[in-house]
This record gives sequence, C-alpha cells and structure tokens, in this order.
Amino acid sequence: KNQVEQSPQSLIILEGKNCTLQCNYTVSPFSNLRWYKQDTGRGPVSLTIMTFSENTKSNGRYTATLDADTKQSSLHITASQLSDSASYICVVSALGGYQKVTFGTGTKLQVIP
Amino acid sequence: KAGVTQTPRYLIKTRGQQVTLSCSPISGHRSVSWYQQTPGQGLQFLFEYFSETQRNKGNFPGRFSGRQFSNSRSEMNVSTLELGDSALYLCASSLASAYNEQFFGPGTRLTVL
Repeated sequence: KNQVEQSPQSLIILEGKNCTLQCNYTVSPFSNLRWYKQDTGRGPVSLTIMTFSENTKSNGRYTATLDADTKQSSLHITASQLSDSASYICVVSALGGYQKVTFGTGTKLQVIP
Repeated sequence: KAGVTQTPRYLIKTRGQQVTLSCSPISGHRSVSWYQQTPGQGLQFLFEYFSETQRNKGNFPGRFSGRQFSNSRSEMNVSTLELGDSALYLCASSLASAYNEQFFGPGTRLTVL
C-alpha cells in the first residue's frame, strides 16, 4: 500500500532559525514528489516538484532534497519568518496511468517572534 | 493568469440537506480533482474529472458525486449531509492529470449542523 509519512507532526521554532521537515514514502513505482505549503483556511500552494533524477531543488528560502534510494525527502527552511507558519504537505505520485497520488498528513509549523 | 476559483467560500447546512460546490479551473487546464480536508485526516482524494469524464475515484460513499462541463468547470454534490461531512473541500486543476502539478483553489468551508 502506498503511504507517505511526515515528521514531526508539529513544530515550533523561533523566528530566524532554520528547520527541517521530513517525508518518508513507500510509493512505488516513484514518479515525483512535491512539497506544498498550506496557510490556515487556504488551499495548498506548490513549493517544489522533484523527479527521480533530482536530489535537490530550491525555491527561495525553501530547499527540498530527495533520496530515491531510501525513499526519503526533506524540506529545509532557512532563516524562518513569521509568514512561514503553515502546514507543509508532502505529496508523492506513482507511475501507472491514472492518478496515483498519495498525500502526507502534513507538518504544522509555527514560527514565533 | 487567473487561479482556481471555488464558490461559495463558506456554507452552512443542516443534516439531511444536499449541497453543490463549484470549481473553475485555470484556463487551459482540463483535469479537475476534488479533495476533502479535515483536521484529523489531512487531504483525502474524492475524484478526478477529465474531459467531462470521471477518471478516478477515492473511497467515499455514493452520496458524494461530481461532474465536469465542457468548459472544464466542475461541480461536486453531497446529498443527505452528515455531521462528519463538515470539512474544507478543495478543488485542484492541472493540465492533463493530477499527475501533473496541481494548482489548488482556496476551498469551500462546509459546516453541517
């Protein structure tokens, strides 16, 4: 069964600090992995998309890494800002025709002053 | 380019009633997917439509149905509402498949009393 597990479930950090969110998946055969940011009460917004051949991708202060061998991904946030407070969702797609997309339950990040 | 729009943004209904939610995808996008999001369950896939045809369906009861029109706009209907249907309903559009990058709308917050 395809699964995506994210850790930690929630995280509180001080403004200006860095943090790393984890995503482990069992989705197979792997196609791509995406990280989304979701502000409370809003729809998710894509941060990065990574395919099998990519192991690092950056979007401003967000850097995602992918290890397809160990089926792990991480999202690193540098110099956090109050606006980074949100849920971060890892989404993994499998190959195979129709949609085979598995969502993680997300990491809720709170950045405090 | 305009994003995904969903109407209404907020809705309050009582048990037993039915509700219809609407989603207008990004121009040129032909795939529309619907998701239910609750605090405990995260994002749960409802169904995907492409070219007016339901292409994939999640594990939801038959009370949840949808359709897509020739202009790619989509509607989702929930009949005989239950308290547990209270959730944020998100619509996502993509070029050809949920396999491609998905762009989410702001969601419709449904409260069932």
